[in-house]
Amino acid sequence: QSALTQPPSASGSPGQSVTISCTGTSSDVGGYNYVSWYQQHPGKAPKLMIYEVNKRPSGVPDRFSGSKSGNTASLTVSGLQAEDEADYYCSSFTGTTLKYVFGTGTRVTVL
Amino acid sequence: EVKLVESGGGLAQPGGSLRLSCAASGFTFSSCKFHWVRQAPGRGLEWIAYISSSGNTIYYSDSVKGRFTISRDNAKISLYLQMNSLRAEDTAVYHCVREGADDYNFDYWGLGTLVTVSS
Repeated sequence: QSALTQPPSASGSPGQSVTISCTGTSSDVGGYNYVSWYQQHPGKAPKLMIYEVNKRPSGVPDRFSGSKSGNTASLTVSGLQAEDEADYYCSSFTGTTLKYVFGTGTRVTVL
Repeated sequence: EVKLVESGGGLAQPGGSLRLSCAASGFTFSSCKFHWVRQAPGRGLEWIAYISSSGNTIYYSDSVKGRFTISRDNAKISLYLQMNSLRAEDTAVYHCVREGADDYNFDYWGLGTLVTVSS
């Protein structure tokens, strides 16, 4: 199972928006609405930000939103803040093999 | 407060074994599904194993299948990962991860324990 493809980096100024893509196949991203997104600050554990494509856990700001079209999912961070600078990973359930696959990761920099 | 604390990492020789543990608190352990996810130094996340709440259903990634064994003890509120036939490419931080109530996501993560495989 190959990793989902994400851009290595993305950046924006405070207050701007940044969108990260996550491309898979019809066996994972395109086949199931079980795409989730995780934020990881250096030396910290990952934190769930989005699940089931576009749902936010309690406590996650509504500046974070998710969507999906075909085999590509996206995470948008609106109104960028300094604390949003982190690595972001997508993940998808792969029903055909009953496993999970993560994205390659995107480092978001707030300029 | 949900807490997951891993232990048991360290230095192992190629071909050797290690047993990781994860102590859970702050929620009803026996009702939850768990995973192990690892992260090689400077690299991305890799899912490696899943266990159902009862322990009756288990899945592995191809990279560890046949070498690693996930298990749990609901009485001891603990999750385990027995790692055998270790390889250099198993070097990583290993995270204990709870599956969310809505399934198919990872809602709480431990900080992880570092496993280094080297001679």
